[in-house]
Amino acid sequence: QSALTQPPSASGSPGQAVTISCTGTSGDVGGYDYVSWYQHHPGKAPKLLIYEVIKRPSGVPDRFSGSKSGNTASLTVSGLQAEDEADYYCAAYAGSNSFLFFGGGTKLTVL
Amino acid sequence: EMQFVESGGDLVQPGGSLRLSCAASGFTFSNYWMTWVRQAPGKGLEWVANIGASEMFYLDSVKGRFTISRDNVKNSLYLQMNNLRVEDTAVYYCARTRPGLTMDGWGKGTTVIVSS
Repeated sequence: QSALTQPPSASGSPGQAVTISCTGTSGDVGGYDYVSWYQHHPGKAPKLLIYEVIKRPSGVPDRFSGSKSGNTASLTVSGLQAEDEADYYCAAYAGSNSFLFFGGGTKLTVL
Repeated sequence: EMQFVESGGDLVQPGGSLRLSCAASGFTFSNYWMTWVRQAPGKGLEWVANIGASEMFYLDSVKGRFTISRDNVKNSLYLQMNNLRVEDTAVYYCARTRPGLTMDGWGKGTTVIVSS
């Protein structure tokens, strides 16, 4: 079972937009519309930001958006705020044999 | 508001056993799949196991050593971990799970350290 590929770090200034990529294969990211994104502040519970590629749970600001093209999914954080500084993980369903892969995580720094 | 409280993490020697628990509240527990996810020190998240009404699925490296179970009366999820290895050292999280393994509610985790 292999992790999805994310950049280890990303950064932006307050108010700017940042996009984090998540690359998998046709067996996971590209094969199903079950890509989700999670925000994790160390020591706290991870939080669901995006599910089924583009959907936002209630309560998640519309500054967070998701997309997918082929085997690569992306999370865009617009209007960066200090509290967005956290680790971000993508996850993708990989079918009934492999189930779920996570990305390695991206540490987002707000400059 | 859904809540999850994990417990049972400890320091254990290689080859030892632990049972993790996750107490859930704020939703109808029996209606949802549940998942255990772990994070080793300095590493990313890793799916470990999940359970539906009667189906259970496991990460290859824990098959035969870990058993996931649930008690819908006590609204609790469990992970019995046997023959623990150093590489099982991690924070273990429980999460409510929707179709496509979307995890929409998580606990803060419980720490397992496997070391001699």
